[in-house]
Amino acid sequence: SQQGEEDPQALSIQEGENATMNCSYKTSINNLQWYRQNSGRGLVHLILIRSNEREKHSGRLRVTLDTSKKSSSLLITASRAADTASYFCATDANSGGSNYKLTFGKGTLLTVNP
Amino acid sequence: NAGVMQNPRHLVRRRGQEARLRCSPMKGHSHVYWYRQLPEEGLKFMVYLQKENIIDESGMPKERFSAEFPKEGPSILRIQQVVRGDSAAYFCASSPPGRVSQNIQYFGAGTRLSVL
Repeated sequence: SQQGEEDPQALSIQEGENATMNCSYKTSINNLQWYRQNSGRGLVHLILIRSNEREKHSGRLRVTLDTSKKSSSLLITASRAADTASYFCATDANSGGSNYKLTFGKGTLLTVNP
Repeated sequence: NAGVMQNPRHLVRRRGQEARLRCSPMKGHSHVYWYRQLPEEGLKFMVYLQKENIIDESGMPKERFSAEFPKEGPSILRIQQVVRGDSAAYFCASSPPGRVSQNIQYFGAGTRLSVL
């Protein structure tokens, strides 16, 4: 698997349900970020979690980070049709001073059905 | 406060032509990054620039691709003699001055390049 790999690749749920997406990575990191991309649009930053943090909340978003397992999860509660988008995790490698270089996975395509 | 502005949003070129993609970072931001996204893939880092300096171009092909961030004006990603494999979405991101490891990168809407 590659750095910053999300699963599942696609997720379809009903409005009001919770959506959980996972991300695994290989190398040690400073931060892990989650972004959302609507079809044909740019990326919108959702949340950043630092390597010394275990959990972070922002509105309906909850992110966890387990550095021992090199994994993160993004939970969207009470989903809405407007949450339909691709979700990417991005990691910055904690080595060699090049931690500005974000590595993205292929993303999870979330579809929220009305 | 406008976000990261990229233009054009869509660019069509024939094989062998040049493509010039522009990016104006957010106001007050001095770091610019370019990423490329192939269909159904994640973004791949290409180059990191500060004003008048290329800091890291390790993700950019050695031939035909170049990037600049002049003292005045937007950052430019230039692709010479385009080929069909260059068709992709090119995203620019910017971050404020200071330690880049602490900064969120803010992305533009991208330029979708189609090579015929």
